[in-house]
Amino acid sequence: QSALTQPASVSGSPGQSITISCTGSGSDVGGYNFVSWYQQHPGTAPKLMISEDTKRPSGVSNRFSGSKSGNTASLTISGLQAEDEADYYCCSYAGSSTYVFGTGTKVTVL
Amino acid sequence: QVQLVQSGAEVKTPGASVKVSCKAAGNSITGYYLHWVRQAPGQGLEWMGVINPSGDATSYAQNFQGRVTVTRDTSTSTVSMELSSLRSEDTAVYYCAREPPTTGLFDYWGQGTLVTVSS
Repeated sequence: QSALTQPASVSGSPGQSITISCTGSGSDVGGYNFVSWYQQHPGTAPKLMISEDTKRPSGVSNRFSGSKSGNTASLTISGLQAEDEADYYCCSYAGSSTYVFGTGTKVTVL
Repeated sequence: QVQLVQSGAEVKTPGASVKVSCKAAGNSITGYYLHWVRQAPGQGLEWMGVINPSGDATSYAQNFQGRVTVTRDTSTSTVSMELSSLRSEDTAVYYCAREPPTTGLFDYWGQGTLVTVSS
């Protein structure tokens, strides 16, 4: 199972919006409504930001939103803030009780 | 408050095995799937495997088939992951993570356990 493809880095100025893509195949991203997104600050465990393609868990800022089209899922961060600077990973169910993560994207706030 | 507490850091020699445990307070993992995810230094997250709520079914990533075993002791709310035939490339932080049934999301994570493989 190959890792899902994400851009290595994305940057934006405070207040701007950025979008991170996550490209897989019909066997994972495109085949199920189980893409989730995680934020990870250095030295800490990942934190759930989006589940089931588009759902935002309680307590997560509404500046974070998820979407999906075909085999590509996306995470959009609007009103970018300094605290959003972190690594972001997508994850998809891949069938037969297996999962696959994306390659990860480093978000830099300029 | 859900808390998954993992066992401490380990240093192993190549060819050895390591067992990392993940303990939850109270019933916070009863009825949940438990996954293991690892992260090599400076690298991304890699899904390793999962065990079902009753502990009688597991699934593993193809990369780890034959080397990883996940077990569960429901009486002590503890899940363990054993990785055998260790090599230097297995040096990583290993995380346990909880999944509510049929949601495909990992809502709570352990603090991570660093496993270092070095001769």
